Amino acid sequence: ETGVTQTPRHLVMGMTNKKSLKCEQHLGHNAMYWYKQSAKKPLELMFVYSLEERVENNSVPSRFSPECPNSSHLFLHLHTLQPEDSALYLCASSQLSATDTQYFGPGTRLTVL
Amino acid sequence: KQEVTQIPAALSVPEGENLVLNCSFTDSAIYNLQWFRQDPGKGLTSLLLIQSSQREQTSGRLNASLDKSSGRSTLYIAASQPGDSATYLCAVRRSNTGKLIFGQGTTLQVKP
Repeated sequence: ETGVTQTPRHLVMGMTNKKSLKCEQHLGHNAMYWYKQSAKKPLELMFVYSLEERVENNSVPSRFSPECPNSSHLFLHLHTLQPEDSALYLCASSQLSATDTQYFGPGTRLTVL
Repeated sequence: KQEVTQIPAALSVPEGENLVLNCSFTDSAIYNLQWFRQDPGKGLTSLLLIQSSQREQTSGRLNASLDKSSGRSTLYIAASQPGDSATYLCAVRRSNTGKLIFGQGTTLQVKP
């Protein structure tokens, strides 16, 4: 266990559904991240939150909406997704510094029908 | 734009062999470089982190080197074991926002 938990672990949704992914870190870190991992593609950073403020938005479509209510929790709200959004969504956290290591959760396997 | 490339994409070796995984990046202005391990369908586990001022880091049977000027890093695994079978990812960090740029990974299979 890395101290970063994600729920649900698997999610199947239709294109008109609204769902949310949840991430929680128990490490006292001050930064949290959402990544997308698709088959045959490198891991892609979607969003970075530092001290609960979004500092990076990597040109992600608006059908993905992040929320960081406090330093321990991060959500990814999903609506009107496309089949190509099916992927493994990984959350990570770190204590921002020049030497920080990111700790990853186990991921949510999302399938959009 | 920073790009990270890992070669080979896949590697299969018999147990006990020493092996080297390669990572190259196009922009040498990096904070650090990290090697991660990912088991199928799972999250990533950090193996080694090398700061831009360092040349190598070691942890057990793993040794990672960094040559910033040539844009290269290698991960050396000594005396490989079947439990080492996984995908190994290289990532570089360029900014103080913590953003990591990942390679596509090398999938390693160590056969008993």
